[in-house]
Amino acid sequence: RKEVEQDPGPFNVPEGATVAFNCTYSNSASQSFFWYRQDCRKEPKLLMSVYSSGNEDGRFTAQLNRASQYISLLIRDSKLSDSATYLCVVNPRDYKLSFGAGTTVTVRA
Amino acid sequence: NAGVTQTPKFQVLKTGQSMTLQCAQDMNHNSMYWYRQDPGMGLRLIYYSASEGTTDKGEVPNGYNVSRLNKREFSLRLESAAPSQTSVYFCASSENPRGNQPQHFGDGTRLSIL
Repeated sequence: RKEVEQDPGPFNVPEGATVAFNCTYSNSASQSFFWYRQDCRKEPKLLMSVYSSGNEDGRFTAQLNRASQYISLLIRDSKLSDSATYLCVVNPRDYKLSFGAGTTVTVRA
Repeated sequence: NAGVTQTPKFQVLKTGQSMTLQCAQDMNHNSMYWYRQDPGMGLRLIYYSASEGTTDKGEVPNGYNVSRLNKREFSLRLESAAPSQTSVYFCASSENPRGNQPQHFGDGTRLSIL
């Protein structure tokens, strides 16, 4: 079983729509969680850390459900510039980050 | 503000050739990492260096060697390139090796082995 699993999508949404997707992780001892964004053929960039109580950063909301071992990302009022692949990243133990394969979001005009 | 710089950006090799991928960071980070990214898969850790003077294997170290030259620089060497090593390689750094630290990535080296 992969340590981090994501629905690859793609999620095709119109501008202004809300889109949400999850990722699941297998190691219940995982302590830290992140969402990274990766544009086509470019480097991953940190979008936001995910905290136990859930957190927002502008139009982006991240949630953590430890009982069911998943984290979610919700994007409100989607912009064309939100089109990207979103990587779910989990820290199962020190010195290691496990990356999901990514969820592709395409926002259309 | 350069962040993490990788060279070269693109490279084509023949099977059996060797080469070294270079990485340098200017953020005074202690920890550095090498990943590979293949289609449909998450980034996989090849090697990491928790601090200057130390290196350790990641998930997929076979066929690679690394050198932490100093605090800034961490190189990845392919001694005898194989087609299975065709991939995009990313170097990353973080303040320390604890998993609660986000990692900052270079813009990648696209490597093709013929």
